[in-house]
Amino acid sequence: QKEVEQNSGPLSVPEGAIASLNCTYSDRGSQSFFWYRQYSGKSPELIMSIYSNGDKEDGRFTAQLNKASQYVSLLIRDSQPSDSATYLCAVWETGRRALTFGSGTRLQVQP
Amino acid sequence: ETGVTQTPRHLVMGMTNKKSLKCEQHLGHNAMYWYKQSAKKPLELMFVYSLEERVENNSVPSRFSPECPNSSHLFLHLHTLQPEDSALYLCASSQEGSSGNTIYFGEGSWLTVV
Repeated sequence: QKEVEQNSGPLSVPEGAIASLNCTYSDRGSQSFFWYRQYSGKSPELIMSIYSNGDKEDGRFTAQLNKASQYVSLLIRDSQPSDSATYLCAVWETGRRALTFGSGTRLQVQP
Repeated sequence: ETGVTQTPRHLVMGMTNKKSLKCEQHLGHNAMYWYKQSAKKPLELMFVYSLEERVENNSVPSRFSPECPNSSHLFLHLHTLQPEDSALYLCASSQEGSSGNTIYFGEGSWLTVV
């Protein structure tokens, strides 16, 4: 099984700041990467996916991918208290035909 | 509300009981999954079904038995579980081969083994 690593946090940022969440993965052949948000007691919900090197923006969220460094990140601009959740990084493993998840980073946005 | 529905949402069972978790997807997907989420641990893949054929069982104990009668329904049959099996069990589906294999989760079934 390939590995996906995340800092467990908590990452604490003030309201309105930029939150930066990071993820590294071990499978150099991985092609598809995902960020999910999970509120306490709820199931994960998809935020965005990224497949190519560079940045992908969707509203206040920007995903960044660097396949050479095996690194994926998620930036949340203008952080809101409602963004407080655990953010899961996931990588599609072709061999398993499923997503492998990191342990998640807990984000706390302070009002 | 998601396109993946799980029942029951909460289940308490004794170690000698037999119960089943049910999942139904309304997204027209061709792959379904069971994941387990325990406290302080990453999501663990348990089973994958693609086109109703099991792809992966990931060394899951035999007290967990999956069933996929068609592409829209997935079951997880439970028997003689242990207290450490208490966890959130998540069903998910995807259209394998398109949209980068994006997986969509149901709301989960909280299982407590007493």
